[in-house]
Amino acid sequence: GQQLNQSPQSMFIQEGEDVSMNCTSSSIFNTWLWYKQDPGEGPVLLIALYKAGELTSNGRLTAQFGITRKDSFLNISASIPSDVGIYFCARSGSEKLVFGKGTKLTVNP
Amino acid sequence: DTGVSQNPRHKITKRGQNVTFRCDPISEHNRLYWYRQTLGQGPEFLTYFQNEAQLEKSRLLSDRFSAERPKGSFSTLEIQRTEQGDSAMYLCASSRDRARGEQFFGPGTRLTVL
Repeated sequence: GQQLNQSPQSMFIQEGEDVSMNCTSSSIFNTWLWYKQDPGEGPVLLIALYKAGELTSNGRLTAQFGITRKDSFLNISASIPSDVGIYFCARSGSEKLVFGKGTKLTVNP
Repeated sequence: DTGVSQNPRHKITKRGQNVTFRCDPISEHNRLYWYRQTLGQGPEFLTYFQNEAQLEKSRLLSDRFSAERPKGSFSTLEIQRTEQGDSAMYLCASSRDRARGEQFFGPGTRLTVL
């Protein structure tokens, strides 16, 4: 099936550090979405991107839709302990979402 | 503003038993989706409804799985003759028409088949 390559697979950082993760695809898509999932819970939508080159912020989170429409990145600035979780990118080209395998973030206080 | 709700949150069953999960979408959302998530993976699409019509089904949805949305509001997902490989988190999501891809997820139902 169609896959998204998400990296890194996991990250261990100190509180206060900035974080960057990215997602790439071999195909072009119209929408990139970033979700965060806490253990035992469903994914929560963080940011949605609709246009190539678009840069969108949500508090300490910033995401960009790559110009080639085949990639996206998510940055988290000044990380805090509650940023811990798994971050998923997802693309939407039709009705269904296709997800990456996630980046597991651990923040050490 | 209530979000997507799912019941039960956890289900433990023996192999061969039937199970049914329920999803209540956000009230004004016409589209409802089911996904399955296994450990270390992102959610995988199973099926979706627009109102009461089931419009797409994944190859992951074997003939032991059936989903309904009889009145275009809540939905049920039934798994018959469960197998250990069915153990997973079953997630429901909903969206408005023309939502440009944004889907809002419920908390999921964790199924364990012994």
